[in-house]
Amino acid sequence: TQLLEQSPQFLSIQEGENLTVYCNSSSVFSSLQWYRQEPGEGPVLLVTVVTGGEVKKLKRLTFQFGDARKDSSLHITAAQPGDTGLYLCAGFNAGNNRKLIWGLGTSLAVNP
Amino acid sequence: NAGVTQTPKFQVLKTGQSMTLQCAQDMNHNSMYWYRQDPGMGLRLIYYSASEGTTDKGEVPNGYNVSRLNKREFSLRLESAAPSQTSVYFCASSESPTGVPGKLFFGSGTQLSVL
Repeated sequence: TQLLEQSPQFLSIQEGENLTVYCNSSSVFSSLQWYRQEPGEGPVLLVTVVTGGEVKKLKRLTFQFGDARKDSSLHITAAQPGDTGLYLCAGFNAGNNRKLIWGLGTSLAVNP
Repeated sequence: NAGVTQTPKFQVLKTGQSMTLQCAQDMNHNSMYWYRQDPGMGLRLIYYSASEGTTDKGEVPNGYNVSRLNKREFSLRLESAAPSQTSVYFCASSESPTGVPGKLFFGSGTQLSVL
């Protein structure tokens, strides 16, 4: 069974701090997506990474896909209260089952 | 641009009651999905539809039925609700075919409680 483990599970920081959250697996994925979910809403796609070692930036957010395509990280610089939410990673298995595997998420609270 | 619209937003049922969750998308997507989200379990796929007239089981289909009424609409029915079906339900759609890692567009969810 493929699993995606996200850490930390919860994170509470002050505005202006930097943070990194992780998404790890023992399995190889052909691509990996990061979504942000705000309370009472559905997840919204932030980025898709497909190449091992790939780095993508979205304003203050930096996403990295591990060289072996088994893990990914999300780094936020100078966090703002608007970054508060649940960050979900989802890995795609292009093998026989062609399934999207979801992590449980990191719940981030950025306090003013 | 509405995107993916789900109704109702909240629902309380008694055990054994039935109900249908409605979902419609206005993006002309072929692929549509129903997920449930539970604490400690994450998002789990219930059913999906690759195109109008086709539906397939996901990870947790037991106790649910779906209908892909047309390209826009994909409904989820609970025939006899059980407390284990208490959850937040999300409908999603994608322009990518099922089995291809495309961008998923989610609705805002239905919070269902079964007493």
